[in-house]
Amino acid sequence: DAKTTQPTSMDCAEGRAANLPCNHSTISGNEYVYWYRQIHSQGPQYIIHGLKNNETNEMASLIITEDRKSSTLILPHATLRDTAVYYCIVRVEYSGAGSYQLTFGKGTKLSVIP
Amino acid sequence: NAGVTQTPKFRVLKTGQSMTLLCAQDMNHEYMYWYRQDPGMGLRLIHYSVGEGTTAKGEVPDGYNVSRLKKQNFLLGLESAAPSQTSVYFCASSYNILWVTNTEAFFGQGTRLTVV
Repeated sequence: DAKTTQPTSMDCAEGRAANLPCNHSTISGNEYVYWYRQIHSQGPQYIIHGLKNNETNEMASLIITEDRKSSTLILPHATLRDTAVYYCIVRVEYSGAGSYQLTFGKGTKLSVIP
Repeated sequence: NAGVTQTPKFRVLKTGQSMTLLCAQDMNHEYMYWYRQDPGMGLRLIHYSVGEGTTAKGEVPDGYNVSRLKKQNFLLGLESAAPSQTSVYFCASSYNILWVTNTEAFFGQGTRLTVV
């Protein structure tokens, strides 16, 4: 099962697009890529998910490469309220016997700068 | 809408004491989850439930017990608290099981537990 690799931190100027990359080179063909974010001291918040095609909703866009080995979350016009830790998540197996979970790793700390 | 509500928000326990964390959701979700988050770390799954009366172990279940007597409530118990259980605990719920379907999880605001 797949795991993800994200940069530890990124900065983005307020009003500019924030592009957060994620590598998931071992993802299986039927596994989704999910993005959540966690604003300081709050519970994680769902942003978007995708399988093969690019996706867009009111919060963000998700661009998935054709080989599905990486993806990019795009916040088109970042605001100060977008400062948070962003998690790129795929399903992982634990305990070996077909037990799965969504693992939230350390994510990318995005700082939106005025 | 309340969504997912966790009680209490903060608690300090002495080593060896017991306590129960309550998670309540008003979205009629079948699936509920308990995670813990340690400083600088992501979230790790403790236990989860696929419906009323059912529970299952997650990645880090030792030292915790859970119960799902009512569909809307998922309880996390610590029978004998240890300092290693100092953490922030998050409850979540979802309409479908998270790692099989393309569904989203709704999280509570967390319970900050300190064991001294």
